[in-house]
Amino acid sequence: DGGITQSPKYLFRKEGQNVTLSCEQNLNHDAMYWYRQDPGQGLRLIYYSQIVNDFQKGDIAEGYSVSREKKESFPLTVTSAQKNPTAFYLCASSIAQGNEQYFGPGTRLTVT
Amino acid sequence: RKEVEQDPGPFNVPEGATVAFNCTYSNSASQSFFWYRQDCRKEPKLLMSVYSSGNEDGRFTAQLNRASQYISLLIRDSKLSDSATYLCVVNGGKGYSTLTFGKGTMLLVSP
Repeated sequence: DGGITQSPKYLFRKEGQNVTLSCEQNLNHDAMYWYRQDPGQGLRLIYYSQIVNDFQKGDIAEGYSVSREKKESFPLTVTSAQKNPTAFYLCASSIAQGNEQYFGPGTRLTVT
Repeated sequence: RKEVEQDPGPFNVPEGATVAFNCTYSNSASQSFFWYRQDCRKEPKLLMSVYSSGNEDGRFTAQLNRASQYISLLIRDSKLSDSATYLCVVNGGKGYSTLTFGKGTMLLVSP
């Protein structure tokens, strides 16, 4: 089955800890994206990557970091510098820039 | 003006009704337009792309008006399963390769 997987579905962390969210795709897509969604809010772009070993900051990159060492994988680290990390995190991919994006099932992160 | 603007709703309609949503966008250079559907606490799923000539997929019709910079989605013969939030999506946000998502319009279809 082709698609995007994110793990875990739910994640709980204590304040001050870094946490890494996994995103893997087997669609052979070049571009990958990370968004966060807060209750009642739209999706906000955190980071995106158009090719391996390259990525750009989105609108709300502060407190986050990413890597793109393999085409299939685009992990997101939520650092302790992120002031409000509790949110629904969504990973997406697209075949090329500007094309429709396909989403993974998301990770709900709760930091207390 | 917000980049992508939608009426948040909710739109409450009975089964079988026809309902239409509009969305306006601010970037006149945008070239790609989409409607996504998001169920409660789930990921967004692509409903349809929106082409300049308009397009139809079963009960769903999407239209694009470049001159006025708005996109519409028409749902005919509403089903209970159509209840969801509909997201209007336009390219040309942070970079050409990125998409900007509206906050969505909630649709509730009742028996």
